[in-house]
Amino acid sequence: AQTVTQSQPEMSVQEAETVTLSCTYDTSESDYYLFWYKQPPSRQMILVIRQEAYKQQNATENRFSVNFQKAAKSFSLKISDSQLGDAAMYFCAYRRWGGSEKLVFGKGMKLTVNP
Amino acid sequence: DAGVIQSPRHEVTEMGQEVTLRCKPISGHNSLFWYRQTMMRGLELLIYFNNNVPIDDSGMPEDRFSAKMPNASFSTLKIQPSEPRDSAVYFCASSLKATTGELFFGEGSRLTVL
Repeated sequence: AQTVTQSQPEMSVQEAETVTLSCTYDTSESDYYLFWYKQPPSRQMILVIRQEAYKQQNATENRFSVNFQKAAKSFSLKISDSQLGDAAMYFCAYRRWGGSEKLVFGKGMKLTVNP
Repeated sequence: DAGVIQSPRHEVTEMGQEVTLRCKPISGHNSLFWYRQTMMRGLELLIYFNNNVPIDDSGMPEDRFSAKMPNASFSTLKIQPSEPRDSAVYFCASSLKATTGELFFGEGSRLTVL
């Protein structure tokens, strides 16, 4: 079974600084998706960024980028120029390729942004 | 476009009562997922459907939980009888197979069983 591990339950960062959230996963599949979801206090699950495993180039979305290391099964999220609105729970997630499979989540990590 | 719509947003009920949570997926999406979120266990998949057919219900805690998807635009998750340990946020999510793979989540239903 696939598993996703987020080893840091909490982190904090100063506003305008950069922070990196770590995630590792375990799978025997070669094709899959990886995601970072954000859950602010409103509890809405919001997609931050996605990565297809077959793509060697790391995904970026504005201030958010990932470091995808397929061999190491590592998928970290870097937030640049942190803003107060980035404060939230962040979940790393894995999904088998195919589009009809379930999403497997890590336990989540609480990010605090200090002004 | 409307997102995934869940109701109710909040439910407070007494132990032993029946609870029904409802979900309307995004139009055209063919997969629907029910997740439960608690502090202790994080996000757990309860059940998911493809084309209205249940595919994996191994996460359903026990017989008190049941889920249905009578058509492509509606699903229910029922708990009967409810217990205090069922208190959690229940999320519904949907996805379309021929896309980039992400799930689109509703705002969740917060259930409190007293």
